[in-house]
Amino acid sequence: EAQVTQNPRYLITVTGKKLTVTCSQNMNHEYMSWYRQDPGLGLRQIYYSMNVEVTDKGDVPEGYKVSRKEKRNFPLILESPSPNQTSLYFCASSLYPGESYEQYFGPGTRLTVT
Amino acid sequence: QKEVEQDPGPLSVPEGAIVSLNCTYSNSAFQYFMWYRQYSRKGPELLMYTYSSGNKEDGRFTAQVDKSSKYISLFIRDSQPSDSATYLCAMSRTGSARQLTFGSGTQLTVLP
Repeated sequence: EAQVTQNPRYLITVTGKKLTVTCSQNMNHEYMSWYRQDPGLGLRQIYYSMNVEVTDKGDVPEGYKVSRKEKRNFPLILESPSPNQTSLYFCASSLYPGESYEQYFGPGTRLTVT
Repeated sequence: QKEVEQDPGPLSVPEGAIVSLNCTYSNSAFQYFMWYRQYSRKGPELLMYTYSSGNKEDGRFTAQVDKSSKYISLFIRDSQPSDSATYLCAMSRTGSARQLTFGSGTQLTVLP
């Protein structure tokens, strides 16, 4: 089944404790992206990757890191999480970067930072 | 002011009703318009896509774009309980996933 998977689905952590949220897609997509979703603010892009070893900042990159060493994986790293990073996070992928209407989203990771 | 405004609802309608969901935007450069549907505890999934102005129909769903008014709509005919979800509008200048701007979503409940 073609899909985007994220792990973990739920995470509660404390301020300053490094964490990684994994994202994997099995559709051989070139483009991958991370979003956060907050009430009243919609989906905002954190980072995106056009292909392996090519990443760039989105609209809200502060406090986050990403890497793209393999085509299928695009982990999101929070080196020192803070309470304002409590949010619902989505990974998404698309076959080609220019085709936003074909973005496929993962199921989401709900992160709480205390 | 946000680039894309969407009434958050919640909106409750009886089964069989016609539903109208709307977004307004301020950036006249937007040319690609999308509607995503997001069920509870799921990621968004693309529902409709239109380029520039005009209408597009897919089954019970119709998407309308009025660029002169900077206003887009999604109509759902003969609404079903399975349509209960949050509907997100999204738009882009270039069609690139890198430059997608989302509305905050409207929560819809269709009552049986």
